[in-house]
Amino acid sequence: DTAVSQTPKYLVTQMGNDKSIKCEQNLGHDTMYWYKQDSKKFLKIMFSYNNKELIINETVPNRFSPKSPDKAHLNLHINSLELGDSAVYFCASSQRDRAPPLHFGNGTRLTVT
Amino acid sequence: AQSVTQPDIHITVSEGASLELRCNYSYGATPYLFWYVQSPGQGLQLLLKYFSGDTLVQGIKGFEAEFKRSQSSFNLRKPSVHWSDAAEYFCAVVQMEYGNKLVFGAGTILRVKS
Repeated sequence: DTAVSQTPKYLVTQMGNDKSIKCEQNLGHDTMYWYKQDSKKFLKIMFSYNNKELIINETVPNRFSPKSPDKAHLNLHINSLELGDSAVYFCASSQRDRAPPLHFGNGTRLTVT
Repeated sequence: AQSVTQPDIHITVSEGASLELRCNYSYGATPYLFWYVQSPGQGLQLLLKYFSGDTLVQGIKGFEAEFKRSQSSFNLRKPSVHWSDAAEYFCAVVQMEYGNKLVFGAGTILRVKS
């Protein structure tokens, strides 16, 4: 069973479009995250949610809107996509009351043309 | 703010040779430190972690790392590298006061020569 699963794995779209990436974890964790890995492989946190409550919001354009319908799901919606949004987006989960490790999904490669 | 430095962007070793990947961190308190591996097209897999206690920690796939407070380092080692170890390796430190925010180094790409 996959612990943290993301869909889709690949996403190719044009500038200006709106797209969503979905993430689900079956580990029973209460905290979920979105990380962005840019073309230079640098990983940086975007958001974290704990029990559906936003905990971390790292200076991300408001075109990016996370949504957590329940603690097992954290989706990422991106409006008006720009070329610079092209990256690999990783979902992760952890138990907040214990130190990580975070469990990562396999990533969604977003290409904006 | 915490930061993590991985001084080596690329490292190439021969199969069977020993490996050491360097990681330095800056953090005022006792850090929680991690090493992750990312194979091409894959997500990150945790190799090992240090929270407290024994400064030499063992991980999966034969990796180990040693926490040295005096040097602010957490270097990853493996005595004998296999071709399947070729991947990118990330060191990370967690900022517990910011909701388990994991701060990553820039990564080190490991190439293995046969």
